Amino acid sequence: GAGVSQSPSNKVTEKGKDVELRCDPISGHTALYWYRQRLGQGLEFLIYFQGNSAPDKSGLPSDRFSAERTGESVSTLTIQRTQQEDSAVYLCASSVSGGAPTKYFGPGTRLTVL
Amino acid sequence: AQSVTQPDIHITVSEGASLELRCNYSYGATPYLFWYVQSPGQGLQLLLKYFSGDTLVQGIKGFEAEFKRSQSSFNLRKPSVHWSDAAEYFCAVGANSGGSNYKLTFGKGTLLTVNP
Repeated sequence: GAGVSQSPSNKVTEKGKDVELRCDPISGHTALYWYRQRLGQGLEFLIYFQGNSAPDKSGLPSDRFSAERTGESVSTLTIQRTQQEDSAVYLCASSVSGGAPTKYFGPGTRLTVL
Repeated sequence: AQSVTQPDIHITVSEGASLELRCNYSYGATPYLFWYVQSPGQGLQLLLKYFSGDTLVQGIKGFEAEFKRSQSSFNLRKPSVHWSDAAEYFCAVGANSGGSNYKLTFGKGTLLTVNP
């Protein structure tokens, strides 16, 4: 079946602009996660959605970052007033439920802030 | 808090040689353990996972890993490396209970280069 998809695959933006990244999870997966991967680093947890529960936003690095998810479908990660340190690959993952440890990752969006 | 250490940033092996990638974790109980592989421009693909039971787990592409509680390790092995195995490998740990059992903590990765 179809895996997790993300768009765009690459995004180049100027410092100070807002960007929106999209994630389509695997159909039927109730849990959705956003991670950030900066050059030479492991993945950093950003945010977690589980069904209609309040999201865990504890990993968001600043108030310039926000994310939404409509029901159990698409999620968007928005970065306002982008900074050069926001340059990274943003990875989305989904799992059958929040308690299910196996996560399936999308290909990521590579964000470059000039 | 859980943590993962991958001591080797970059490893180079010859095609056909054996491979072992190291992973050490810190966690208060028995964790969930994972190895993921990331090829250039690709997302993360799950190679194998350990939840409980047999401490030697088999994964895709001929990889295996062994959970050693006494050493807090979960090293990844392959007896004979293929050129297509060149990629970055990430070890990850997840809690198997508690309110944050959905979070994974990743190591910084080991880049594998395969020489012909």
